[in-house]
Amino acid sequence: DVKVTQSSRYLVKRTGEKVFLECVQDMDHENMFWYRQDPGLGLRLIYFSYDVKMKEKGDIPEGYSVSREKKERFSLILESASTNQTSMYLCASRLSSVAGSYNEQFFGPGTRLTVL
Amino acid sequence: QQQVKQSPQSLIVQKGGISIINCAYENTAFDYFPWYQQFPGKGPALLIAIRPDVSEKKEGRFTISFNKSAKQFSLHIMDSQPGDSATYFCAASVRSGGSQGNLIFGKGTKLSVKP
Repeated sequence: DVKVTQSSRYLVKRTGEKVFLECVQDMDHENMFWYRQDPGLGLRLIYFSYDVKMKEKGDIPEGYSVSREKKERFSLILESASTNQTSMYLCASRLSSVAGSYNEQFFGPGTRLTVL
Repeated sequence: QQQVKQSPQSLIVQKGGISIINCAYENTAFDYFPWYQQFPGKGPALLIAIRPDVSEKKEGRFTISFNKSAKQFSLHIMDSQPGDSATYFCAASVRSGGSQGNLIFGKGTKLSVKP
């Protein structure tokens, strides 16, 4: 059973703080993703990574960075948290993105971040 | 052209009724159409998926109908139950490597099934 875990379910931070959100998957998946989920806006892709030390910007990367030093771990970093980054953050993983494949994407339970 | 438009935004159905959620897309290169189900406090999970070589796929009470010419697909939940109350996301992608293979999600439909 694939498991994607996120370090915190709820997090409260202050404006200007540096925030780290951690995600770990246990199925040796190559691809990992960070989304934010806001009411009425659905799931918006922040960053994704196809393999260790690789990263690519998604649709809304501004104000975020990521790190993938090990295959199983993908970190989302808010360099200087702002109130408009209050949101639900979802991590996901997928076996691979090889052309011709349809690989299911597995999501973690989410981290509800509040920036005061 | 990369968007997937989902409707309605919210839906209330009586127990035993049929829930229908619709999605439309523009990119004719899309060839994989999954639906994800998300319960409160949980991450989305794959519910059912279809490829454009078939017009319908059924798994239990859940059916995807696909209309390639209209570039539309829909989720039908038969005999809806209170336990089906969740947010449903449609998505689409192409069978391609790299970022083109990333899922494009609709904005979601919050379904409430009343007892």
